[in-house]
Amino acid sequence: DAGVTQSPTHLIKTRGQHVTLRCSPISGHKSVSWYQQVLGQGPQFIFQYYEKEERGRGNFPDRFSARQFPNYSSELNVNALLLGDSALYLCASSLFLMTGADQPQHFGDGTRLSIL
Amino acid sequence: DQQVKQNSPSLSVQEGRISILNCDYTNSMFDYFLWYKKYPAEGPTFLISISSIKDKNEDGRFTVFLNKSAKHLSLHIVPSQPGDSAVYFCAASPYAGGTSYGKLTFGQGTILTVHP
Repeated sequence: DAGVTQSPTHLIKTRGQHVTLRCSPISGHKSVSWYQQVLGQGPQFIFQYYEKEERGRGNFPDRFSARQFPNYSSELNVNALLLGDSALYLCASSLFLMTGADQPQHFGDGTRLSIL
Repeated sequence: DQQVKQNSPSLSVQEGRISILNCDYTNSMFDYFLWYKKYPAEGPTFLISISSIKDKNEDGRFTVFLNKSAKHLSLHIVPSQPGDSAVYFCAASPYAGGTSYGKLTFGQGTILTVHP
C-alpha cells in the first residue's frame, strides 16, 4: 500500500512569492496534519484537517493556510515567503481525528522548501 | 517554551549493546507518547507508542518506558544494530479535547550512531 505522498520533493522560491505544497494521505485515512521542520529541530505543528474541516492550528502567521479536499488530499499554502520559511514541510495522515489508542500519525518524506 | 525535551543531541553505541534514548516533558496534559525514527531525506517513521495508562510497551527490540510522576520516557533498543543509526524523535499528544486532537509536540531529536 502506498504511504503518504508529498509533492514536490524540492522547491526553490524567492522572498515575497507564494507556494503550494500537496499531500495525499494513506488510503482510508481521513486526517491530515502539516508540520514544519527547521534544521536541528523537531517538527512543529502547523495545521490539522479532518473531514475537510480545520481542527487544529499551531502558532503560525496567517500567511500559512491549508485546505482538505473531498478525497482527503490536502494543500498547504504559504504567502509572502520569508527567508525563515526555509524548512522541510511534512505531511502526516491518520485514520481518526485523535492521535492515540494505537492510531499513530504516519509521515510522508516531506517537501524541502528553500527561500532565496 | 520547549514542552518536550531530548537533552542528549547524540548517542554513540557499539553494535549488540543497549541504546537508551531519553525524553522529558513538562505538560501534564500529554496523554499519548510516540517515538519516531528519521533517516536523512526521509520522513519520520513511527516506531512505538505508549498510552499514559501504561508504564511499559514492548515491540521486538524496542521498549518504551513511561514514568508519569517524573514526566520522563525512554526508548530502549536491544540489541542495537548499525541500521538503527538515525535521528530519534519523541513526540507527545495531549488528552483529546479542544483543538489539540492531532497536534504532536516533538522533541529536538537525538542522533543515534551504532558502530559495527
